[in-house]
Amino acid sequence: QLQLQESGPGLVMPSETLSLNCTVSGGSISNSSNYWGWIRQPPGKGLEWIGTVHYRGSTFYNPSLTSRITISLDTSRNQLSLRLSSVAAADTALYYCVRQEPTFAFDLWGQGTLVTVSS
Amino acid sequence: DIQMTQSPSSVSASVGDRVTITCRASRNVNAWLAWYQHKPGTAPELLINRASSLESRVPSRFSGSGSGTDFTLTITNLQPEDSATYFCQQTDTIPLTFGGGTKVQIK
Repeated sequence: QLQLQESGPGLVMPSETLSLNCTVSGGSISNSSNYWGWIRQPPGKGLEWIGTVHYRGSTFYNPSLTSRITISLDTSRNQLSLRLSSVAAADTALYYCVRQEPTFAFDLWGQGTLVTVSS
Repeated sequence: DIQMTQSPSSVSASVGDRVTITCRASRNVNAWLAWYQHKPGTAPELLINRASSLESRVPSRFSGSGSGTDFTLTITNLQPEDSATYFCQQTDTIPLTFGGGTKVQIK
């Protein structure tokens, strides 16, 4: 059974870069049927799609974040990564790693990892 | 961005009841709509894709309908394990956007 596990620092200083990894187990990240992405949920707020990537190179980013984000795949490690630069308190959120169907519905989610931006 | 508006924000119902949750899109999304169930401390789960297509492991008491801008998630014969937050998501247009969620509580 395929599983997703997010990892990364729980605390990031303002203006720095948030880096998260997602390890995919039980299946290959190179499966051509799937896309992979990140979603976040700030405390007490709704879900926000961050971006999506396919192992063949297609990327789709939320326009509100595109200038600050990089999402990439490491097929050798079977990992998905997120880099979000110049973070501020508004970037404090629970970050989810997700698998996406070709329809772009999210058919598998990680448990999420809480990232707090604070000095 | 396409705004997704869910109602009600919360509902309390008894075991065996029928619960209906609506999701309205600010623009036509055709049938590109998904529904999810989220229980505290767990990962969200995809229930329904393309407005009405039930995921394989999801009980048949869950159903989805609608197209265009108005969609409905219906839970018939509500069970205790259905206590959760349900949210919709449009998969039609980038950026992908979500409804605010509906909390279903069991009386």
